[in-house]
Amino acid sequence: NAGVMQNPRHLVRRRGQEARLRCSPMKGHSHVYWYRQLPEEGLKFMVYLQKENIIDESGMPKERFSAEFPKEGPSILRIQQVVRGDSAAYFCASSPQRWGTEAFFGQGTRLTVV
Amino acid sequence: QQQVKQSPQSLIVQKGGISIINCAYENTAFDYFPWYQQFPGKGPALLIAIRPDVSEKKEGRFTISFNKSAKQFSLHIMDSQPGDSATYFCAASGGSSNTGKLIFGQGTTLQVKP
Repeated sequence: NAGVMQNPRHLVRRRGQEARLRCSPMKGHSHVYWYRQLPEEGLKFMVYLQKENIIDESGMPKERFSAEFPKEGPSILRIQQVVRGDSAAYFCASSPQRWGTEAFFGQGTRLTVV
Repeated sequence: QQQVKQSPQSLIVQKGGISIINCAYENTAFDYFPWYQQFPGKGPALLIAIRPDVSEKKEGRFTISFNKSAKQFSLHIMDSQPGDSATYFCAASGGSSNTGKLIFGQGTTLQVKP
């Protein structure tokens, strides 16, 4: 059973470009969470999705950021018009249910904005 | 109210010693408290977790102590080994809206000297 798969592992974008980060949850997991980790900091919750639904986006910046988890295919975190401050590691986690069970994390996508 | 405060920020322990990391929370509705271990360039991996109905949980060399009245919990690593050198994050989830999102502490970088 493959773990949570994130790609790409590393992504370099110029300021103003778009970044697309993909996350395939573990088999049988329908709950996906995205977290952002700035250098030397802890992980900050961004958004929680189930298939085709955004359940909680309270940690998502109001502009330029969006997320989706379609019926088929991976979850995607999209950052439009990236700025230097978006440089961070973005982690996806999946779980089989939303309450009190282990969330399995992917290896992360390290975004660098130049 | 949603914060989890973690200390110390960094910790150096001799091989065979005990590593102790502490966390404090404010939201009394939190009901799931996991600890994650993260190696450089990797995603966080669940180490051990506890719920507030028990005061202690032990798995191998790792023990969580939980003090509900003080709203504190700690991780003890017995017989610390160089391979334990990593960053450790405490986290909490729960509450009225309970989407399963994790609130992380700031992290503790542990170095175990041989």
